[in-house]
Amino acid sequence: SAVISQKPSRDICQRGTSLTIQCQVDSQVTMMFWYRQQPGQSLTLIATANQGSEATYESGFVIDKFPISRPNLTFSTLTVSNMSPEDSSIYLCSVTPGGSTSNTEAFFGQGTRLTVV
Amino acid sequence: AQSVAQPEDQVNVAEGNPLTVKCTYSVSGNPYLFWYVQYPNRGLQFLLKYITGDNLVKGSYGFEAEFNKSQTSFHLKKPSALVSDSALYFCAVRAAGFQKLVFGTGTRLLVSP
Repeated sequence: SAVISQKPSRDICQRGTSLTIQCQVDSQVTMMFWYRQQPGQSLTLIATANQGSEATYESGFVIDKFPISRPNLTFSTLTVSNMSPEDSSIYLCSVTPGGSTSNTEAFFGQGTRLTVV
Repeated sequence: AQSVAQPEDQVNVAEGNPLTVKCTYSVSGNPYLFWYVQYPNRGLQFLLKYITGDNLVKGSYGFEAEFNKSQTSFHLKKPSALVSDSALYFCAVRAAGFQKLVFGTGTRLLVSP
């Protein structure tokens, strides 16, 4: 298993500003994943972050809007840039410990509830 | 391409009765299937998974799920529901050899006393 600490847990931000979300894992992991959960909707993968390389973004998400850092094997940040009310969502980080085998369950942080006003 | 369908937005059941939350999937190759639960203002918690072997898998909190390859389904079940089971449930699929986890739209379970 993995214990993930994500912060802040919630924030209210002004439009046009940026927020950086931090994700700390209690063990070293190859990949970290960032998801968005819009109100009343499912989880959508934003990007996959590997240590030492550029993050891989899913269709509809771009690096300028959601820059990601992955400085080591236990930590990552996601920045939501130039925010608008449409960015109001829960943002979750996730890891799949035990290597990159696809049959391993993912573990999630508590999420960051972002409200943009 | 991978996809997951959860046809019911909400399932209502009385405490003590059995519950079923439905999930069907589409994936190329062998599927790895997962169920997660989300309580208000919390992250997702892993309940159970199907990788291979026995079609009936048991998980946390008394939940189980049945994998049916011919019907491409992975329904979540519990013999006797508790009020505390009320939460949002997500089914997810990952194709063998791939890392991307695709989630269904979620089903809200409401257990009444």
